[in-house]
Amino acid sequence: QKEVEQDPGPLSVPEGAIVSLNCTYSNSAFQYFMWYRQYSRKGPELLMYTYSSGNKEDGRFTAQVDKSSKYISLFIRDSQPSDSATYLCAMTGGGNNRLAFGKGNQVVVIP
Amino acid sequence: NAGVTQTPKFQVLKTGQSMTLQCAQDMNHNSMYWYRQDPGMGLRLIYYSASEGTTDKGEVPNGYNVSRLNKREFSLRLESAAPSQTSVYFCASSEALTYQHFGDGTRLSIL
Repeated sequence: QKEVEQDPGPLSVPEGAIVSLNCTYSNSAFQYFMWYRQYSRKGPELLMYTYSSGNKEDGRFTAQVDKSSKYISLFIRDSQPSDSATYLCAMTGGGNNRLAFGKGNQVVVIP
Repeated sequence: NAGVTQTPKFQVLKTGQSMTLQCAQDMNHNSMYWYRQDPGMGLRLIYYSASEGTTDKGEVPNGYNVSRLNKREFSLRLESAAPSQTSVYFCASSEALTYQHFGDGTRLSIL
């Protein structure tokens, strides 16, 4: 079983819809959770960073962490064509600071 | 405000040729990383350097070598390139227990 599972299936939504992405993980030592956004032909850039369980909101983006279920989510409200990108979840337990990544979800927002 | 800079951006090699990918960061981070990203495989860690003077193997180190030249620079070398090493290579840097900052990648094709 991979440490982090993220369904890589592409997701197409109409502009203005809510986008919901999620990852599951198996390592209970993970405490720091991240979502990266990657545009085509660019490197991943940090979108959200959370510690332990709970919710974090930043504008149209909300990250949720449920450590009891080993499940994290990213919600994008009022999606825009500029949100079209690949979204990768990542997490670490600290220590050597190595990140475990999901495979990424390609999101397309249709105008 | 460069962040993480990778050179070159694109390269085509013939099987058996050698090449060094360069990475430099200007954020005074202690840790640096090399990943490869392939379709359907996500980001896979090749090597990392937790601090200047140390390097460690990641998930897929075979066929690669690294050098942490100083705190700013971390290079990745392919001694005898193989078609299986065709990929997009990303360098990243971080401080302990924080997220990683990525460069925009080197697209390497081996014929």
